[in-house]
Amino acid sequence: AQSVTQLDSQVPVFEEAPVELRCNYSSSVSVYLFWYVQYPNQGLQLLLKYLSGSTLVKGINGFEAEFNKSQTSFHLRKPSVHISDTAEYFCAVQETSGSRLTFGEGTQLTVNP
Amino acid sequence: EAGVTQFPSHSVIEKGQTVTLRCDPISGHDNLYWYRRVMGKEIKFLLHFVKESKQDESGMPNNRFLAERTGGTYSTLKVQPAELEDSGVYFCASSLSLGRGRRELFFGEGSRLTVL
Repeated sequence: AQSVTQLDSQVPVFEEAPVELRCNYSSSVSVYLFWYVQYPNQGLQLLLKYLSGSTLVKGINGFEAEFNKSQTSFHLRKPSVHISDTAEYFCAVQETSGSRLTFGEGTQLTVNP
Repeated sequence: EAGVTQFPSHSVIEKGQTVTLRCDPISGHDNLYWYRRVMGKEIKFLLHFVKESKQDESGMPNNRFLAERTGGTYSTLKVQPAELEDSGVYFCASSLSLGRGRRELFFGEGSRLTVL
């Protein structure tokens, strides 16, 4: 079984500031890692994913995440946020042999002017 | 190309009533999933269809929930009779085959269910 912990439920930041949303996971088997974003009144949208290879993964809208196997972490970062980045962000893991996603509880990112 | 569509977007029913949620996956996607988010908690897996067959229904909470996928196209999730704790947002997702590099699940906007 897997579990995902998003350490911050709410992250308020000012526009143009850097941000890091933290995600730790636990699994007894190999997993793939994902970040999804849900903008207000929209569905979940894939931000980025780590399947293999380089541990630094770049996604849409200037976001990136780094897979750290020893720390079992997959933190999401953006060097300069915009008001439009205000959304809820979900970290998720998926067994390499399976298909179901296990999600964290989500982090609400609020970007203030 | 149309994305995953869900209907209704919001349903308000009384305890004991029946509700049916519908999901239309992206055309050509054999894999269809139902997830649920209750009370701001994590999004939890309910079940997985491959075409019309239930591949994994280990996340279904109890026998008040019935999911079907007619002809491997759209899917319905029926809750009968609904209880207060069934309130939440029900997400549907679909995907292509799960070969390497094809791991993305495409989600719908969700159906919000409120049981009074």
